[in-house]
Amino acid sequence: GEDVEQSLFLSVREGDSSVINCTYTDSSSTYLYWYKQEPGAGLQLLTYIFSNMDMKQDQRLTVLLNKKDKHLSLRIADTQTGDSAIYFCAESVDTDKLIFGTGTRLQVFP
Amino acid sequence: KAGVTQTPRYLIKTRGQQVTLSCSPISGHRSVSWYQQTPGQGLQFLFEYFSETQRNKGNFPGRFSGRQFSNSRSEMNVSTLELGDSALYLCASSWERTSNTGELFFGEGSRLTVL
Repeated sequence: GEDVEQSLFLSVREGDSSVINCTYTDSSSTYLYWYKQEPGAGLQLLTYIFSNMDMKQDQRLTVLLNKKDKHLSLRIADTQTGDSAIYFCAESVDTDKLIFGTGTRLQVFP
Repeated sequence: KAGVTQTPRYLIKTRGQQVTLSCSPISGHRSVSWYQQTPGQGLQFLFEYFSETQRNKGNFPGRFSGRQFSNSRSEMNVSTLELGDSALYLCASSWERTSNTGELFFGEGSRLTVL
């Protein structure tokens, strides 16, 4: 079945690292993605990882993929107040269809 | 380069009415996808169009329909509105196939409230 799960909330202090976790169920997913949604806005692609990789780093963002456990994580280093948003992981199960997780609301406090 | 444009941004309808939402993709993008976002169900895939053809459809009733025009602009229609159709409807465009890079460009959405 198609089900992507995330924890609902994460609160971190400014300057600390944030780790947002995601579990997915479709082992045939080609790509896995992280999107960010700020209030009143659409979704913005942050990064993606191909399923044959186990890690991808892009500036402050690090994506870890454990394909055996179907676990994906997003680490944000030196988290800033501007990082406060809802973060969605997503998997591609068909060529043009994404299954999104429930979203994790990240709150950064000073 | 202009982003994905969705109109209207906000609208209020009553049960039983129908609604049409419009999406203009980024220039040059040929694929348009629609998603419904609600607090209870999260983001759910509605359908995807490419070159005026529906390539994929989510698990929604037949009241939800869409189309794409030759200029890649897309519309979605919901007939016989129900209270549960209240949601943020997001349109996304991409060059061709989502799975190539995963980069869907999203509009800001049309927020529909059904009374």
